[in-house]
Amino acid sequence: EDQVTQSPEALRLQEGESSSLNCSYTVSGLRGLFWYRQDPGKGPEFLFTLYSAGEEKEKERLKATLTKKESFLHITAPKPEDSATYLCAVLRTPGNTGKLIFGQGTTLQVKP
Amino acid sequence: DTEVTQTPKHLVMGMTNKKSLKCEQHMGHRAMYWYKQKAKKPPELMFVYSYEKLSINESVPSRFSPECPNSSLLNLHLHALQPEDSALYLCASSQSGQVEQYFGPGTRLTVT
Repeated sequence: EDQVTQSPEALRLQEGESSSLNCSYTVSGLRGLFWYRQDPGKGPEFLFTLYSAGEEKEKERLKATLTKKESFLHITAPKPEDSATYLCAVLRTPGNTGKLIFGQGTTLQVKP
Repeated sequence: DTEVTQTPKHLVMGMTNKKSLKCEQHMGHRAMYWYKQKAKKPPELMFVYSYEKLSINESVPSRFSPECPNSSLLNLHLHALQPEDSALYLCASSQSGQVEQYFGPGTRLTVT
């Protein structure tokens, strides 16, 4: 059965304390893996797409990496404004349906 | 520009009311989606439109009725809803069913 698992469920960091969020997946075939950021009461904001193992993407303090079984979202020197829920989702092959499989999310709190 | 707009932002309706949610995108995307999101849960797919045709209906009750008048617009018609239908309703769009989806800000629906 296709499954996406994110860990930890919640993460509290001090400002400047780097860490990583994990997204492990089991799908019959991976078409793409997506990271989103969601603030309370708002729609998810697209961050990254990863298509193949070994791929990396960066944006400001965030860096996403992908292996054959999992993806990491590395947060370097986080700031309070990075506090949000981070969602991971996968699209399996055949991947032309647009049907994303979401993880449960990791809620990040960064304290000043 | 990667903007998806949704109206209204908030909606309160009684169980006998009929209302509609609206979504619009001007990115030339050919796939559009409706999601339902409950508190502290990831988005749940409801409907997928591809090239203005309904391609996925995730066994959603008939009190939810989607409509895609043209390639830029997506509506969700609501009738005889139940209190458990209260949630954040998200619209998303993508270039195709194989790439990242861009979400709107959502409509917060409360059924009384």
